[in-house]
Amino acid sequence: AQSVTQPDIHITVSEGASLELRCNYSYGATPYLFWYVQSPGQGLQLLLKYFSGDTLVQGIKGFEAEFKRSQSSFNLRKPSVHWSDAAEYFCAVGRYKLSFGAGTTVTVRA
Amino acid sequence: SQTIHQWPATLVQPVGSPLSLECTVEGTSNPNLYWYRQAAGRGLQLLFYSVGIGQISSEVPQNLSASRPQDRQFILSSKKLLLSDSGFYLCAWSAGTGEETQYFGPGTRLLVL
Repeated sequence: AQSVTQPDIHITVSEGASLELRCNYSYGATPYLFWYVQSPGQGLQLLLKYFSGDTLVQGIKGFEAEFKRSQSSFNLRKPSVHWSDAAEYFCAVGRYKLSFGAGTTVTVRA
Repeated sequence: SQTIHQWPATLVQPVGSPLSLECTVEGTSNPNLYWYRQAAGRGLQLLFYSVGIGQISSEVPQNLSASRPQDRQFILSSKKLLLSDSGFYLCAWSAGTGEETQYFGPGTRLLVL
């Protein structure tokens, strides 16, 4: 069975500081991995995805994620957060059927 | 480019009333379509997915049903709503070509009273 764990429910970070969101997955084969962002009351926007190849993936809005098979992780990073990055972030695994983590809410303080 | 629409955006319904939520996709053909529910403070739960007209797979037993009457139209329905049906319903599509990145619509907020 496939599953995703996002250990951090809520993270507060200062504007301009770096951000890292953790994601651990369970999947029987080579995983398809995704990070989505959701602003309040909105749908999900795709930040980046990993299917194969280079394990460091670049996405939109300055985000990147690194796939580490040995650790079953796909952590999301951003070097310098902006106030507009305040949102909920979801990690997902799967191909035709996605399993989502419970999400991490990011608060950005001035 | 592809666009996904959902309506209504918000809906308040009494317990026991019927439900119909609609999702349409533009700019693509033969997409895979998905319905998810997001309960407050929780992740997304896949409810139904469809790989073609009239082909519906249900992921969890529940009070809801789905139909796909046209290639790019996906409908979520209920004959009698329960309080537990409240939530945020998201429709998504993927290309159905093997590259299965899912793209989400704006969602429908359903409150059952």
